[in-house]
Amino acid sequence: ETGVTQTPRHLVMGMTNKKSLKCEQHLGHNAMYWYKQSAKKPLELMFVYNFKEQTENNSVPSRFSPECPNSSHLFLHLHTLQPEDSALYLCASSQGSPNYGYTFGSGTRLTVV
Amino acid sequence: GIQVEQSPPDLILQEGANSTLRCNFSDSVNNLQWFHQNPWGQLINLFYIPSGTKQNGRLSATTVATERYSLLYISSSQTTDSGVYFCAVGGAVGKSTFGDGTTLTVKP
Repeated sequence: ETGVTQTPRHLVMGMTNKKSLKCEQHLGHNAMYWYKQSAKKPLELMFVYNFKEQTENNSVPSRFSPECPNSSHLFLHLHTLQPEDSALYLCASSQGSPNYGYTFGSGTRLTVV
Repeated sequence: GIQVEQSPPDLILQEGANSTLRCNFSDSVNNLQWFHQNPWGQLINLFYIPSGTKQNGRLSATTVATERYSLLYISSSQTTDSGVYFCAVGGAVGKSTFGDGTTLTVKP
């Protein structure tokens, strides 16, 4: 148990489906992140939330929609995805500024068919 | 942005051997972390080490911030050490950049 819980662990979805990834942190951190890790590529930062406010959106397509209702929960809503969106999606949290380091969840392995 | 280069990209060891992984970065940083990603994808924080030296069991890390590099030492390697080792460096919140990783394979 790392303190950051992601569900589901695995997800297979069709290109016309709508699904959501969930992340919950039990560490009292105030910043949360979504990262994407594709095969043979480095981790790509997608979104950053600091005190529930989105502070970073790294040119992510609109078919990915984040939601942060409070400092402990982060969602990634998915719709009309493409096969190239298949990847490991990792959630992380940190104690904000200064950054005392990330704690990652176990990830959701997403396959788009 | 900050450029992060890890070396070597791949490393194969016999169980019991020692190894050194390197992380070079292009600018001054406020934070640096080493992670181990296991075969199931879990990223485990090994060290938060923006400067200085830390040790945790068979692992230790040293960051020389003025020379813009960090080293991760693994001694008496075990098969469970296999996986990908990443360093992440950055300044403000959310600005950390990950290296491409070193893939370590420890053979029994």
